[in-house]
Amino acid sequence: DAKTTQPPSMDCAEGRAANLPCNHSTISGNEYVYWYRQIHSQGPQYIIHGLKNNETNEMASLIITEDRKSSTLILPHATLRDTAVYYCIVRVSTGGFKTIFGAGTRLFVKA
Amino acid sequence: GAVVSQHPSWVICKSGTSVKIECRSLDFQATTMFWYRQFPKQSLMLMATSNEGSKATYEQGVEKDKFLINHASLTLSTLTVTSAHPEDSSFYICSANSGGSGELFFGEGSRLTVL
Repeated sequence: DAKTTQPPSMDCAEGRAANLPCNHSTISGNEYVYWYRQIHSQGPQYIIHGLKNNETNEMASLIITEDRKSSTLILPHATLRDTAVYYCIVRVSTGGFKTIFGAGTRLFVKA
Repeated sequence: GAVVSQHPSWVICKSGTSVKIECRSLDFQATTMFWYRQFPKQSLMLMATSNEGSKATYEQGVEKDKFLINHASLTLSTLTVTSAHPEDSSFYICSANSGGSGELFFGEGSRLTVL
C-alpha cells in the first residue's frame, strides 16, 4: 500500500470546521483514499472513502486533489466527540487486501 | 452497516497462560480477517491475515507459534496468545471486509493485560 503522511496533531474549536490533510504522493491509479478514526480504546471507525471525485456523507467530506497526491478530510462542524486519531489510508477497493496504518493525526476539539 | 464483534473486550491473565480472543462477523461472511495489535499511543500494527480454511499469513517479526490464528468458519476467527508474558499486554483488534468490498469493519478491540 502507498505510504501516507499526516500531521501528528491538530486542534480545532468546537463548532468550527476541522480540515485534516493527507499526502499520498505515490498512490497508484487503482488505489482509493480511505479515512478512519479511532476514539480512545475503541476499534477504528470508517468515515469515508473516494477515488478521485470529492465525496460527502453524513459524517464528513473528502476532497481529493486533481493529481490525487493529497486529500483533505473535512468535518464541517466539529464537536467534542470528534476528538480522536484520524487515519488516512490508500488501498485497493477490493476485499482481502491488508490495510497498513500510518501514525495518523490526533485531533483535539476544544470547547 | 456491517458489524464485527470481539470477545472478550478485556482480559487479565497470569504470565505463562494462554488467552483466546474471538472475532465474529455478525451479519456478513468474511473469507479474510485481519488481526492488529496496538500499544499505548501508537498506531495499529498488522499482525496477520486470517484466511478461512487455510493458514494465516503473518507479518514479518510476528511469531506464528506465539500468536495462533484459526479461521474455521466464514464468520469466526480466533487469536490465541500462547504462554503470554507481560510484554504481550496490548490492545488487540480484528477487522474484516464485507463481501468483496474494500471497506473494512473493525471489532471493538480486546485489551489484554498479562500479570
